[in-house]
Amino acid sequence: ETGVTQTPRHLVMGMTNKKSLKCEQHLGHNAMYWYKQSAKKPLELMFVYNFKEQTENNSVPSRFSPECPNSSHLFLHLHTLQPEDSALYLCASSQAPDSYEQYFGPGTRLTVT
Amino acid sequence: GQQLNQSPQSMFIQEGEDVSMNCTSSSIFNTWLWYKQDPGEGPVLLIALYKAGELTSNGRLTAQFGITRKDSFLNISASIPSDVGIYFCAGQGGSEKLVFGKGMKLTVNP
Repeated sequence: ETGVTQTPRHLVMGMTNKKSLKCEQHLGHNAMYWYKQSAKKPLELMFVYNFKEQTENNSVPSRFSPECPNSSHLFLHLHTLQPEDSALYLCASSQAPDSYEQYFGPGTRLTVT
Repeated sequence: GQQLNQSPQSMFIQEGEDVSMNCTSSSIFNTWLWYKQDPGEGPVLLIALYKAGELTSNGRLTAQFGITRKDSFLNISASIPSDVGIYFCAGQGGSEKLVFGKGMKLTVNP
Protein backbone atom coordinates (compact mmCIF):
# COMPACT_ATOMS: atom_id res chain seq x y z
CA GLU A 1 0.00 0.00 0.00
CA THR A 2 1.74 3.15 -1.22
CA GLY A 3 -0.90 5.66 -0.16
CA VAL A 4 -2.01 6.26 -3.74
CA THR A 5 -5.20 4.60 -4.95
CA GLN A 6 -6.58 4.36 -8.46
CA THR A 7 -9.97 3.33 -9.81
CA PRO A 8 -10.98 1.45 -11.77
CA ARG A 9 -8.22 -1.12 -11.86
CA HIS A 10 -9.36 -2.40 -15.25
CA LEU A 11 -11.33 -0.66 -17.98
CA VAL A 12 -12.45 -1.78 -21.40
CA MET A 13 -13.95 0.91 -23.59
CA GLY A 14 -14.95 1.40 -27.18
CA MET A 15 -13.51 4.18 -29.29
CA THR A 16 -16.69 6.25 -28.99
CA ASN A 17 -17.03 5.95 -25.22
CA LYS A 18 -16.26 8.55 -22.58
CA LYS A 19 -14.78 7.38 -19.30
CA SER A 20 -12.74 8.79 -16.44
CA LEU A 21 -9.87 7.45 -14.38
CA LYS A 22 -9.58 8.50 -10.77
CA CYS A 23 -6.56 8.84 -8.51
CA GLU A 24 -6.44 9.75 -4.83
CA GLN A 25 -3.37 10.20 -2.66
CA HIS A 26 -3.39 10.04 1.13
CA LEU A 27 0.19 11.21 1.63
CA GLY A 28 -0.32 14.95 1.96
CA HIS A 29 1.68 15.51 -1.22
CA ASN A 30 1.38 18.60 -3.38
CA ALA A 31 2.32 17.28 -6.80
CA MET A 32 0.50 14.64 -8.83
CA TYR A 33 1.33 12.98 -12.12
CA TRP A 34 -0.19 10.86 -14.87
CA TYR A 35 2.05 8.36 -16.66
CA LYS A 36 1.40 5.93 -19.51
CA GLN A 37 3.13 2.56 -19.35
CA SER A 38 3.29 0.51 -22.54
CA ALA A 39 5.06 -2.80 -22.99
CA LYS A 40 8.82 -2.60 -23.46
CA LYS A 41 8.86 1.21 -23.28
CA PRO A 42 9.94 3.55 -20.49
CA LEU A 43 7.26 5.24 -18.46
CA GLU A 44 5.90 8.22 -20.39
CA LEU A 45 5.06 11.31 -18.38
CA MET A 46 1.74 12.78 -19.51
CA PHE A 47 0.73 15.52 -17.07
CA VAL A 48 2.04 17.19 -13.92
CA TYR A 49 -0.01 19.11 -11.39
CA ASN A 50 1.47 21.24 -8.64
CA PHE A 51 -0.92 22.54 -5.98
CA LYS A 52 -3.83 21.84 -8.36
CA GLU A 53 -2.26 23.79 -11.22
CA GLN A 54 -1.15 21.99 -14.37
CA THR A 55 2.54 22.63 -14.83
CA GLU A 56 3.29 20.19 -17.61
CA ASN A 57 1.48 18.71 -20.58
CA ASN A 58 3.89 16.43 -22.36
CA SER A 59 2.38 16.84 -25.84
CA VAL A 60 -0.54 14.61 -24.94
CA PRO A 61 -3.41 14.35 -27.47
CA SER A 62 -6.53 16.28 -26.51
CA ARG A 63 -8.55 13.06 -26.23
CA PHE A 64 -6.89 12.84 -22.78
CA SER A 65 -8.12 15.58 -20.48
CA PRO A 66 -6.81 15.84 -16.90
CA GLU A 67 -8.55 17.46 -13.96
CA CYS A 68 -7.17 18.20 -10.51
CA PRO A 69 -9.86 19.61 -8.19
CA ASN A 70 -7.55 19.56 -5.16
CA SER A 71 -4.10 18.36 -4.16
CA SER A 72 -5.40 14.92 -3.20
CA HIS A 73 -7.43 14.02 -6.28
CA LEU A 74 -6.56 13.68 -9.94
CA PHE A 75 -8.73 12.58 -12.82
CA LEU A 76 -8.02 11.62 -16.40
CA HIS A 77 -11.02 12.02 -18.68
CA LEU A 78 -10.96 9.89 -21.79
CA HIS A 79 -12.94 10.30 -25.01
CA THR A 80 -12.71 8.98 -28.55
CA LEU A 81 -9.62 6.96 -27.76
CA GLN A 82 -7.69 4.84 -30.23
CA PRO A 83 -6.62 1.19 -29.85
CA GLU A 84 -2.99 2.33 -29.48
CA ASP A 85 -4.03 4.14 -26.30
CA SER A 86 -4.40 0.76 -24.62
CA ALA A 87 -1.86 0.70 -21.78
CA LEU A 88 -1.42 0.84 -18.03
CA TYR A 89 -2.12 4.36 -16.76
CA LEU A 90 -0.28 5.17 -13.59
CA CYS A 91 -0.89 7.99 -11.17
CA ALA A 92 1.91 9.18 -8.89
CA SER A 93 2.43 11.84 -6.26
CA SER A 94 5.40 13.56 -4.66
CA GLN A 95 5.84 16.04 -1.85
CA ALA A 96 6.66 18.75 -4.39
CA PRO A 97 7.44 18.80 -8.13
CA ASP A 98 11.15 19.08 -7.38
CA SER A 99 10.97 16.16 -4.95
CA TYR A 100 11.85 13.30 -7.23
CA GLU A 101 10.67 10.52 -4.93
CA GLN A 102 7.41 9.71 -6.61
CA TYR A 103 4.91 7.24 -5.15
CA PHE A 104 2.76 5.33 -7.61
CA GLY A 105 -0.73 3.94 -7.52
CA PRO A 106 -1.52 0.44 -8.77
CA GLY A 107 -2.59 1.72 -12.18
CA THR A 108 -5.61 1.31 -14.43
CA ARG A 109 -5.25 -1.29 -17.18
CA LEU A 110 -7.05 0.30 -20.12
CA THR A 111 -8.09 -1.61 -23.22
CA VAL A 112 -9.58 0.30 -26.13
CA THR A 113 -11.56 -1.86 -28.55
CA GLY B 1 16.37 14.84 -23.77
CA GLN B 2 18.01 12.70 -21.15
CA GLN B 3 18.01 8.97 -21.73
CA LEU B 4 18.65 5.95 -19.57
CA ASN B 5 20.10 2.62 -20.60
CA GLN B 6 19.12 -0.17 -18.27
CA SER B 7 20.77 -3.55 -18.53
CA PRO B 8 20.27 -6.39 -18.69
CA GLN B 9 16.67 -6.40 -19.94
CA SER B 10 15.91 -9.69 -18.20
CA MET B 11 17.57 -12.19 -15.90
CA PHE B 12 16.82 -15.72 -14.80
CA ILE B 13 18.45 -16.78 -11.54
CA GLN B 14 18.17 -19.51 -8.97
CA GLU B 15 16.82 -18.81 -5.52
CA GLY B 16 19.66 -17.85 -3.20
CA GLU B 17 21.80 -16.27 -5.90
CA ASP B 18 22.86 -12.63 -5.91
CA VAL B 19 21.91 -10.42 -8.84
CA SER B 20 23.24 -7.10 -10.13
CA MET B 21 21.77 -4.64 -12.56
CA ASN B 22 22.77 -1.18 -13.68
CA CYS B 23 21.65 1.96 -15.42
CA THR B 24 23.70 4.42 -17.41
CA SER B 25 22.73 7.87 -18.55
CA SER B 26 23.79 10.07 -21.42
CA SER B 27 24.26 13.00 -19.06
CA ILE B 28 25.07 13.77 -15.44
CA PHE B 29 22.31 13.05 -12.95
CA ASN B 30 21.67 14.50 -9.50
CA THR B 31 19.24 11.84 -8.35
CA TRP B 32 18.94 8.11 -8.93
CA LEU B 33 15.94 6.07 -7.87
CA TRP B 34 15.26 2.34 -8.02
CA TYR B 35 11.73 0.96 -8.23
CA LYS B 36 10.22 -2.52 -8.32
CA GLN B 37 6.96 -3.34 -10.08
CA ASP B 38 5.03 -6.51 -9.35
CA PRO B 39 2.64 -7.89 -11.97
CA GLY B 40 -0.60 -5.91 -12.01
CA GLU B 41 0.73 -3.24 -9.65
CA GLY B 42 2.41 0.12 -9.84
CA PRO B 43 6.14 0.70 -9.24
CA VAL B 44 7.21 0.80 -5.59
CA LEU B 45 10.16 2.95 -4.56
CA LEU B 46 13.01 0.84 -3.19
CA ILE B 47 15.99 3.18 -2.80
CA ALA B 48 16.74 6.85 -3.49
CA LEU B 49 20.28 8.17 -4.03
CA TYR B 50 21.31 11.81 -4.01
CA LYS B 51 25.09 11.96 -3.81
CA ALA B 52 27.86 10.68 -6.09
CA GLY B 53 29.46 7.62 -4.53
CA GLU B 54 26.57 7.10 -2.13
CA LEU B 55 25.92 3.49 -1.17
CA THR B 56 22.53 2.76 0.39
CA SER B 57 20.98 -0.48 1.59
CA ASN B 58 17.39 -1.54 2.12
CA GLY B 59 17.38 -5.07 3.54
CA ARG B 60 18.92 -7.36 0.94
CA LEU B 61 19.04 -4.55 -1.62
CA THR B 62 22.03 -2.29 -2.07
CA ALA B 63 22.24 0.56 -4.56
CA GLN B 64 25.08 2.88 -5.47
CA PHE B 65 25.24 6.29 -7.12
CA GLY B 66 28.17 6.09 -9.53
CA ILE B 67 31.16 8.37 -9.06
CA THR B 68 30.82 9.72 -12.59
CA ARG B 69 27.17 10.58 -11.83
CA LYS B 70 26.25 8.85 -15.07
CA ASP B 71 25.42 5.43 -13.66
CA SER B 72 23.84 3.56 -10.80
CA PHE B 73 23.84 -0.05 -9.67
CA LEU B 74 21.36 -2.20 -7.76
CA ASN B 75 22.35 -5.46 -6.12
CA ILE B 76 20.02 -8.03 -4.59
CA SER B 77 21.62 -10.59 -2.33
CA ALA B 78 20.35 -14.08 -1.53
CA SER B 79 17.36 -13.81 -3.86
CA ILE B 80 14.00 -15.27 -2.89
CA PRO B 81 10.94 -16.04 -5.04
CA SER B 82 9.16 -12.81 -4.07
CA ASP B 83 12.00 -10.81 -5.66
CA VAL B 84 10.37 -11.62 -9.00
CA GLY B 85 9.23 -8.51 -10.83
CA ILE B 86 10.42 -5.67 -13.01
CA TYR B 87 13.08 -3.35 -11.62
CA PHE B 88 13.24 0.20 -12.93
CA CYS B 89 15.87 2.81 -12.54
CA ALA B 90 14.96 6.48 -12.72
CA GLY B 91 17.13 9.54 -12.76
CA GLN B 92 17.04 13.27 -12.83
CA GLY B 93 19.64 15.85 -13.82
CA GLY B 94 19.84 19.58 -14.37
CA SER B 95 16.41 21.10 -14.81
CA GLU B 96 15.00 18.01 -16.49
CA LYS B 97 12.10 15.89 -15.30
CA LEU B 98 12.55 12.41 -13.87
CA VAL B 99 13.23 9.84 -16.61
CA PHE B 100 12.83 6.08 -16.36
CA GLY B 101 14.66 3.11 -17.77
CA LYS B 102 12.82 0.36 -19.68
CA GLY B 103 13.05 -2.03 -16.78
CA MET B 104 14.75 -5.34 -16.01
CA LYS B 105 12.52 -8.38 -15.63
CA LEU B 106 13.80 -10.71 -12.91
CA THR B 107 12.76 -14.33 -12.70
CA VAL B 108 13.78 -16.37 -9.66
CA ASN B 109 13.58 -20.12 -9.94
CA PRO B 110 12.89 -21.88 -6.64
